[in-house]
Amino acid sequence: DAKTTQPTSMDCAEGRAANLPCNHSTISGNEYVYWYRQIHSQGPQYIIHGLKNNETNEMASLIITEDRKSSTLILPHATLRDTAVYYCIVRVVSNDYKLSFGAGTTVTVRA
Amino acid sequence: NAGVTQTPKFRILKIGQSMTLQCAQDMNHNYMYWYRQDPGMGLKLIYYSVGAGITDKGEVPNGYNVSRSTTEDFPLRLELAAPSQTSVYFCASSQIDTQYFGPGTRLTVL
Repeated sequence: DAKTTQPTSMDCAEGRAANLPCNHSTISGNEYVYWYRQIHSQGPQYIIHGLKNNETNEMASLIITEDRKSSTLILPHATLRDTAVYYCIVRVVSNDYKLSFGAGTTVTVRA
Repeated sequence: NAGVTQTPKFRILKIGQSMTLQCAQDMNHNYMYWYRQDPGMGLKLIYYSVGAGITDKGEVPNGYNVSRSTTEDFPLRLELAAPSQTSVYFCASSQIDTQYFGPGTRLTVL
C-alpha cells in the first residue's frame, strides 16, 4: 500500500471549516484513499473514502487532486467534538480489507 | 445492535501470565481484525480473519494467537505476557471496506 504523509498537528476554530491535507504521491491506480478518526481513548471511526472523484457524506467531504497524489479532508463546520486524531490511509482493494494506520494528524478545535 | 464489544475494558497482568481478550460482533461481518496501539502511535495489525475457521498474521503477530470458530467471536490469546505487550488492544469487524471498531482493552503487564 502507498505511504501517506500528514502534518503532525493542526488547530482550527469552532464553526470554521477544517481542511486536513494528506500526501500520497506513490499511490497506484487501484488504491483508495480512506479517512478514519480516533477521538481520545476510543476506537477509530470511519469517515469517508474515495478513488478519484470527490466524495461527500454527512460527516465530511473528500477532495482528491486530479493526479491523485494528494487529498484533503474537509470538516465543513468544526465543533469541539471533532477534536481527534485523523488518519489518512491508502489501501489496495483486496479480499482482506486490511488497513495500515500511520501516526495521523492531531486536530484540536478551539472555542 | 451492540456492534463490536470487547472484554475486559482494563486488565493488569504479571509477567509470564496468560489471558484471552474477547471480541464479539453482532453485525454478521465476515472480516475481523485485532490491532494494538502503543502510546502516541497509530494502530498496528496483529491478526485478522476473513471468515470462520480462517485466520492470518498481520504486522505484529509474535506473542499472540487467535482462533475464529464462529462468525461472531474472535478471541485474542496472550501466552507468557511480557512488558512489551502493554498496550491498548482494539478489535474491528467489516463486511466489505468499512471497519467498525470496539471500545478497546487497556492491558498493562508488570
